[in-house]
Amino acid sequence: DGGITQSPKYLFRKEGQNVTLSCEQNLNHDAMYWYRQDPGQGLRLIYYSQIVNDFQKGDIAEGYSVSREKKESFPLTVTSAQKNPTAFYLCASRLFEGDAGELFFGEGSRLTVL
Amino acid sequence: GENVEQHPSTLSVQEGDSAVIKCTYSDSASNYFPWYKQELGKGPQLIIDIRSNVGEKKDQRIAVTLNKTAKHFSLHITETQPEDSAVYFCAASRAGGTSYGKLTFGQGTILTVHP
Repeated sequence: DGGITQSPKYLFRKEGQNVTLSCEQNLNHDAMYWYRQDPGQGLRLIYYSQIVNDFQKGDIAEGYSVSREKKESFPLTVTSAQKNPTAFYLCASRLFEGDAGELFFGEGSRLTVL
Repeated sequence: GENVEQHPSTLSVQEGDSAVIKCTYSDSASNYFPWYKQELGKGPQLIIDIRSNVGEKKDQRIAVTLNKTAKHFSLHITETQPEDSAVYFCAASRAGGTSYGKLTFGQGTILTVHP
């Protein structure tokens, strides 16, 4: 079955540590996105990528980094510079970048900083 | 940039009643308005969307209306069922150009349908 796989589902991190969240899609989609979800704040865009080896900052990119070395993979690193990293992180993809169309989401990764 | 406000934040209805969720947007150039449903522990899933060249769209028990002049759009769910209980998000974007398909989401509405 085609879809988006995020891992791990739950992750605990100590303060000062970097952590990388995995996102893999087998939908052959060009565009991929990372969103952060906090209660009462909706989904906020962290980074997005239109094609391999290219990505742009979203609205809340500070303290995060990404890479897009392969079309199917878009990992997100939450660095120690992110002041409030505890949140639910959602990866999404879309077939055609720049066009309106359905975003397909993974099931999310919940990060808790201890 | 675009700003999307969504109301109410929580909505409780009895099974069989209708539910309405409203959103307003700020960017008059926005022309694509999807609605997503998020069940507990899952990622959001598109349930219906509307483009700015139409005023209303229906799909079985759900419908979306758009008022471009007032810059607001609404989700209507009729004959609600317990399985409609979820968090609903509205969103807005400019399709095409340099928008890169970036969606701005509302804050979400927790809908609870009581049997």
